[in-house]
Amino acid sequence: AQSVTQLDSHVSVSEGTPVLLRCNYSSSYSPSLFWYVQHPNKGLQLLLKYTSAATLVKGINGFEAEFKKSETSFHLTKPSAHMSDAAEYFCVVSEWLSGSARQLTFGSGTQLTVLP
Amino acid sequence: KAGVTQTPRYLIKTRGQQVTLSCSPISGHRSVSWYQQTPGQGLQFLFEYFSETQRNKGNFPGRFSGRQFSNSRSEMNVSTLELGDSALYLCASSLTGATDEQYFGPGTRLTVT
Repeated sequence: AQSVTQLDSHVSVSEGTPVLLRCNYSSSYSPSLFWYVQHPNKGLQLLLKYTSAATLVKGINGFEAEFKKSETSFHLTKPSAHMSDAAEYFCVVSEWLSGSARQLTFGSGTQLTVLP
Repeated sequence: KAGVTQTPRYLIKTRGQQVTLSCSPISGHRSVSWYQQTPGQGLQFLFEYFSETQRNKGNFPGRFSGRQFSNSRSEMNVSTLELGDSALYLCASSLTGATDEQYFGPGTRLTVT
């Protein structure tokens, strides 16, 4: 069975400083991994995805994530935080079940606060 | 290209009633998934439909059901509403539902009183 653990429920950074949101996963097979962002009263927006190609994945708005199989981690980073980055971030693992069925498991989310 | 649309955006129902929520996927997308989001349980997978067939189902009671039409539009129905069903219900569409990224709608906020 697969699972996702977001290690911090809240992260607070100052504008212009780096962002690190941590995610560990557990999966029986080679998973696909995603990061989504959710702004208040909005749906989720895909930031980036990993599907067994390059281990360093670049996403939108300057975010990137590195897949580390040995550490079963997929941490999200950004060199310089912007006020507009304040939102909730979800790490997601997608794993094939039998046949064509796929199971998505969401982490519990990390609320990012950006201080002026 | 228009995004995923969900109707209605807000809904207030009474315990015991039933409700139907609608989702129109992005044009060309054949997979539609539904999720329930609550502060306590987070985001939980309800079910996925692909080409009018339910392909996968999460761990929810039978009161939660869905269907998909030939134009890929999907509906989910909750019968005999309980207070605990109050949540944001999110719909997401993707091309084939494989490892494709999912595109989420804005959600339907259901409040059960």
